Amino acid sequence: QQQVKQSPQSLIVQKGGIPIINCAYENTAFDYFPWYQQFPGKGPALLIAIRPDVSEKKEGRFTISFNKSAKQFSLHIMDSQPGDSATYFCAATRGGSSNTGKLIFGQGTTLQVKP
Amino acid sequence: ETGVTQSPTHLIKTRGQQVTLRCSSQSGHNTVSWYQQALGQGPQFIFQYYREEENGRGNFPPRFSGLQFPNYSSELNVNALELDDSALYLCASSLAGQYTGELFFGEGSRLTVL
Repeated sequence: QQQVKQSPQSLIVQKGGIPIINCAYENTAFDYFPWYQQFPGKGPALLIAIRPDVSEKKEGRFTISFNKSAKQFSLHIMDSQPGDSATYFCAATRGGSSNTGKLIFGQGTTLQVKP
Repeated sequence: ETGVTQSPTHLIKTRGQQVTLRCSSQSGHNTVSWYQQALGQGPQFIFQYYREEENGRGNFPPRFSGLQFPNYSSELNVNALELDDSALYLCASSLAGQYTGELFFGEGSRLTVL
């Protein structure tokens, strides 16, 4: 019940394409869903996050779509660039100050954007 | 504003040994979390420290232990190392009480157990 399942494991798109990464969760107590981006040799960095009271959130070229009834959420990268090539992780947690650092991560998606 | 720093960046140990990894949290942050990231996997939550006490633990055995110091820096100790402990260990800091959900990660300590 604590798992977050992420797909696909890897993804290759051409520059300008729109890669989509999907995640599913089971625990209905989760109320915060961030996406992290990780480059080789670096730690993950927060990209964008959503709470279940909205169905979509956009920040620049990155969009999260959230389907509470299906317990699924996805990341869309508009006009993808070679610099977006990285590993992307979805995550989930229960809110509140006591849970600040307790994220459940998906398995990761390695994205390659070809020039 | 300084970011999260971890040391050492790489280390090699043999099975049965003990290891201590160190983390300095981002300036102003009072909560530190530790994660284990196996190759090709997502980070897995080990535990979190707030006000020098463990505040939540993932599915890791007691040979994984930690400390948080008054300056909010932290240590991760692993005793009786096993081959499966080989991984990237990530430290993340955050500010409790103003929960935005954002963790600030260091670049990690890569542990190899032979």
